[in-house]
Amino acid sequence: EAGVAQSPRYKIIEKRQSVAFWCNPISGHATLYWYQQILGQGPKLLIQFQNNGVVDDSQLPKDRFSAERLKGVDSTLKIQPAKLEDSAVYLCASSSPWAVAAYEQYFGPGTRLTVT
Amino acid sequence: AQKVTQAQTEISVVEKEDVTLDCVYETRDTTYYLFWYKQPPSGELVFLIRRNSFDEQNEISGRYSWNFQKSTSSFNFTITASQVVDSAVYFCALSEAFGWGKLQFGAGTQVVVTP
Repeated sequence: EAGVAQSPRYKIIEKRQSVAFWCNPISGHATLYWYQQILGQGPKLLIQFQNNGVVDDSQLPKDRFSAERLKGVDSTLKIQPAKLEDSAVYLCASSSPWAVAAYEQYFGPGTRLTVT
Repeated sequence: AQKVTQAQTEISVVEKEDVTLDCVYETRDTTYYLFWYKQPPSGELVFLIRRNSFDEQNEISGRYSWNFQKSTSSFNFTITASQVVDSAVYFCALSEAFGWGKLQFGAGTQVVVTP
């Protein structure tokens, strides 16, 4: 079974530029998460999708971050414009559609973003 | 509000020593789930264990064991006879039953195992 795929793996941009990350979850997983992991910290949830609907985006900086999940499969996370403090690893995860709170999340390799 | 505290920032051990990672959590819910994840240098988070709030039995899986105590809101993790491959950052996380699976992670504990 293929795991969660993410691209690109690394990205370096200048502040005020825009960037987009892509995620393809495990086949059949209806729930998709985007986390931000700043160096030395645990991952923090940015947004959660159930199929193609948003369940939780309370910690997403909506003035600069946006995300979509078309057709309930792949997802894209965008930052526009980027700030220095956005430098982090962006992790995508997916989980089984049933009893989501109880199930482990499967994580992708992450995208390491550096904003200069 | 939920919170997970991993007070140990880094633990260094010599191979074959045991190492215990502490995790203390806070939640108002009576139904919740606790997790441990491993993050090796490659960066990908790897699921290790899930425990629900109604199951306080300790668990052993090979060299790994977990001690869940609701009375002290702790879910500690022990690696017995550590190996160099155990070097990683370990995260404890909490999910509330009605929180749609949102994981609240601790800050993580870096384990360094030297030969």
